Amino acid sequence: GDSVTQTEGLVTVTEGLPVMLNCTYQTAYSDVAFFWYVQYLNEAPKLLLRSSTDNKRTEHQGFHATLHKSSSSFHLQKSSVQLSDSALYYCALIGGSNAKLTFGKGTKLSVKS
Amino acid sequence: GPKVLQIPSHQIIDMGQMVTLNCDPVSNHLYFYWYKQILGQQMEFLVNFYNGKVMEKSKLFKDQFSVERPDGSYFTLKIQPTALEDSAVYFCASSRDWGSYEQYFGPGTRLTVL
Repeated sequence: GDSVTQTEGLVTVTEGLPVMLNCTYQTAYSDVAFFWYVQYLNEAPKLLLRSSTDNKRTEHQGFHATLHKSSSSFHLQKSSVQLSDSALYYCALIGGSNAKLTFGKGTKLSVKS
Repeated sequence: GPKVLQIPSHQIIDMGQMVTLNCDPVSNHLYFYWYKQILGQQMEFLVNFYNGKVMEKSKLFKDQFSVERPDGSYFTLKIQPTALEDSAVYFCASSRDWGSYEQYFGPGTRLTVL
């Protein structure tokens, strides 16, 4: 079945510096959509980014991600993090014509001043 | 933005009892989902539901689980009877369309089975 791997459980970054959260995946589907969800403390996960186009950069709220099918990756990046970016970030995919998200374990981003 | 509500936020019950988790989805959404997250693990798909029917379910959706949305009210997940391994956070989600459309999540219900 499908799988999503987020290797870092916790990433700590100083405010104003760049960050990259890793996401790699395995799927047998050729038609796949990829998502980054963000979950702030005691809130619901909400969609940050979505992409299904290979090698196309997708941006939202200062974050960006590019799907690279050649390396099975959909890393999340931001050039200058803010304290308010501290949250849990989940990478996920939906493959084929189904509607079930497959999630990674999540990466907690902690931004310090 | 659109919000999904989940009631209650926490529930503690004894093993073997029945529990119903309630979800109030986004008002014009037609597709509904439950996901389960055990502490320290990833969120995993349980089931999705449309037009009164289960569309897809995972192996985690045991025979003791059932879902329904009677008369457009809450979308519910019922577990009867509960087991210790059912302790987890259960997230409800809803979407406007099928497939890779955005799923809107609720904040989760933390279920503890003693």
